[in-house]
Amino acid sequence: DSGVTQTPKHLITATGQRVTLRCSPRSGDLSVYWYQQSLDQGLQFLIHYYNGEERAKGNILERFSAQQFPDLHSELNLSSLELGDSALYFCASSVGEGTSGYEQYFGPGTRLTVT
Amino acid sequence: AQSVAQPEDQVNVAEGNPLTVKCTYSVSGNPYLFWYVQYPNRGLQFLLKYITGDNLVKGSYGFEAEFNKSQTSFHLKKPSALVSDSALYFCAVRGSPLYSSNTGKLIFGQGTTLQVKP
Repeated sequence: DSGVTQTPKHLITATGQRVTLRCSPRSGDLSVYWYQQSLDQGLQFLIHYYNGEERAKGNILERFSAQQFPDLHSELNLSSLELGDSALYFCASSVGEGTSGYEQYFGPGTRLTVT
Repeated sequence: AQSVAQPEDQVNVAEGNPLTVKCTYSVSGNPYLFWYVQYPNRGLQFLLKYITGDNLVKGSYGFEAEFNKSQTSFHLKKPSALVSDSALYFCAVRGSPLYSSNTGKLIFGQGTTLQVKP
């Protein structure tokens, strides 16, 4: 158990809908990262937050947004869902702000299925 | 461009034999390198990292990795494989800090499935 929690574990929804994925980092970690894992794209970095502030953006669609709250938990919002958004979404946390070599610890993921 | 390559989709090894999972990288500046393992329906589990120092890095569950700067490689190794080591292994490099958009970003290889047979 990495100490990173994600809810829900599974999500099945229809095209055009909006969903929210939630992540709680390990105790003491200030950085939260979101990644998408799909068969065709592999593991792709989406976005990084440090202590409530956005620090870096990766291949994140405009339909997707995220935030980190004062209690350090984070939410990833996916809207106008398309079939191609079906994937495993991981949250990871680390103690550093991203410029150091601290490892990231991953949650169990949320499997999103868009029908 | 920054990238990680895992040239083998699958590695098969008999239990008790040594194993190697290959990884090469391309990144600007000094690389920060990581290995993760993913079991079915689970998240990624951190195994080990190279930041600086000795080229041979020891990690969890008896795994180690050898950093080779001239060959830009970071191969994962284990002297004696176990059936329970069968899983999907990912090599990753942290994005170069020369670019602010890379802060903290991990760039992953495509993954290598390790199959250890009894």
